[in-house]
Formats: sequence, structure tokens, C-alpha cells
Amino acid sequence: NAGVTQTPKFRILKIGQSMTLQCAQDMNHNYMYWYRQDPGMGLKLIYYSVGAGITDKGEVPNGYNVSRSTTEDFPLRLELAAPSQTSVYFCASSYGAASEKLFFGSGTQLSVL
Amino acid sequence: DQQVKQNSPSLSVQEGRISILNCDYTNSMFDYFLWYKKYPAEGPTFLISISSIKDKNEDGRFTVFLNKSAKHLSLHIVPSQPGDSAVYFCAASATDGGATNKLIFGTGTLLAVQP
Repeated sequence: NAGVTQTPKFRILKIGQSMTLQCAQDMNHNYMYWYRQDPGMGLKLIYYSVGAGITDKGEVPNGYNVSRSTTEDFPLRLELAAPSQTSVYFCASSYGAASEKLFFGSGTQLSVL
Repeated sequence: DQQVKQNSPSLSVQEGRISILNCDYTNSMFDYFLWYKKYPAEGPTFLISISSIKDKNEDGRFTVFLNKSAKHLSLHIVPSQPGDSAVYFCAASATDGGATNKLIFGTGTLLAVQP
């Protein structure tokens, strides 16, 4: 049982490059989320989705884009990478709203140099 | 503006003793609270939750207490075990028209349980 799968686990980008962080879940969850965690900080919500075709901004959406074409997949796109986007990124899913427990992936460590 | 605060970055406890992790919040609209546990190089995992209609919820060695008037919750772990050593995140959400989609997390407390 895979749960929430994130790829890649590690990535180094140069300033201005673009990349997509992949996230897939096999639990048929409606809700999916992207969080980032900076050192010494809590998890900040970037974007979330309540179902295929529906996405909305979280606390820190600037510099990111998302799409949700299927229930299973929720990729996060960085268009012009900046050093401020150096962080650990976590994808999560839940069957219902955030008041239900979230299932997290193992994270993507991203460095922008 | 940090709506969920964990003022203790770290806590060290002897094995077998009680661990108490604290969390304060500022948003009076929060009505659901959760604790997550995170090991290095892994994603957070759900530990225990509590609704604002309760003041206590217990699950085995873990108990969460909620004091709404003080906007404070705490996680008690009794007895503490070395495997409990991890970062613990407090999180809160506000029901909005019957649905809530955003969890706000605290900064985490690193618990070290000494054998």
C-alpha cells in the first residue's frame, strides 16, 4: 500500500529554472494539499484541491502553480525558481476536509542555488 | 502572524516519565485540533485529534487536553518511550460553512526521550 508518493526526493535547481514536483495518492482521497516546511518553521499551506478540476490558494501560493486533472495526481509547478523556494515540500491527502487526518508523503528536499 | 504557536522548540524527558507538549492558538474560530508526529526524512503522521466540543481525548499513551478559554492545548505522553523521540506539530482548523480545508500548523517541538 503506497499511500502518498512524492517524486523526486531531492533536487537542486539553478535560479530561474522550472520544475514540477509530482504527487500521487492511491487511497481515492478527494482532498490533496501541498505544504512547505522551512527550517525551524511549521508547515505552510501552498495550494490545496478538494477534487479533480478544483484548486485553491493556501497561505503561501506565490511562485507556484498546481493542477488537478485526476483524483490521484496533484503536481506542483515552480516556474522561475528563486532561493526563497529552498525548502522541504510535502504533499498530503485526506478523504474529507482538513478536520480529518491528513496522510503525508515523505517529502521533496529542494535547493535553489 | 503565527496563529498556532509552540513556544518550546525542544523538550528532553527520561524514559518512563511524562512528556507534556504545549500549543497555543490565537484564532478563536479554530474548532478542531490535531497533533502530528514527524521522524527525520519522513512526512508527518497523524497522532491524535480533539474537537472543541471536548476538553480531553485519549488514545493509549497519548492524551490531548483542550482549554478553550485559554486558547491552549497540550499533548501528554505517558509513559514516554525512546521511540517517541520525534518532532511534534500542533495543527488547527476552523469550520467554515460546514467544511474546512486549511490546517494551520505550529512550528513544532522536538522531543527527545532519554533511555
